Amino acid sequence: QVQLQESGPGLVKPSQTLSLTCTVSGGSISSDSYYWSWIRQPAGKGLEWIGRIYTSGSTNYNPSLKSRVTISVDTAKNQLSLNLSSVTAADTAVYYCARAVSRAFDIWGQGTVVTVSS
Amino acid sequence: DIQMTQSPSSLSASVGDRVTITCRASQSISSYLNWYQQQPGKAPKLLIYGASSLQSGVPSRFSGSGSGTDFTLTISSLQPEDFATYYCQQSYTTPRTFGQGTKLEIK
Repeated sequence: QVQLQESGPGLVKPSQTLSLTCTVSGGSISSDSYYWSWIRQPAGKGLEWIGRIYTSGSTNYNPSLKSRVTISVDTAKNQLSLNLSSVTAADTAVYYCARAVSRAFDIWGQGTVVTVSS
Repeated sequence: DIQMTQSPSSLSASVGDRVTITCRASQSISSYLNWYQQQPGKAPKLLIYGASSLQSGVPSRFSGSGSGTDFTLTISSLQPEDFATYYCQQSYTTPRTFGQGTKLEIK
């Protein structure tokens, strides 16, 4: 079955760029039936949608983060990526990648903890 | 953005109880409402999509209803593994938004 795995640095310095990768296994990332999202969750808090990408390359971002976010997809590697620039402590969170089908997030990665600190 | 408000924020119940969690949207979202369960330290798990459709593999004691702005998640007979945090999420428009969560605890 399809599985997602996030990876990337667990510690990022303030003002730098957070870069994460999500590797899709057990299936192809290239399907018109799905889109792929990044979602984050600060410790002890709720879920925040960061944005989404279709394998066509079309993206939508949360306006609260839009000026700092880039989501991309590499179909050859079956991966999607997240770049979040100019990070602050407020960006400290667990970051999840997720697949969306029928407008719902049906498959999630296990999440990766990112701490922003000097 | 569409605001999603869940009630209650926390709930104590016993095994075997029937439990209902409510989610209200700040504007009509038709039936574009999903429910997730999150266990501590784990990723959320999809339970219900499209307000009332049960995700494959999810026990039938979970059910969802509602349309427009008001929605409910019902667990007909609580099992020990159901004690978790539950989130609603609208998929009507972007940005996708989630409720603040309802923590279901053992009484």
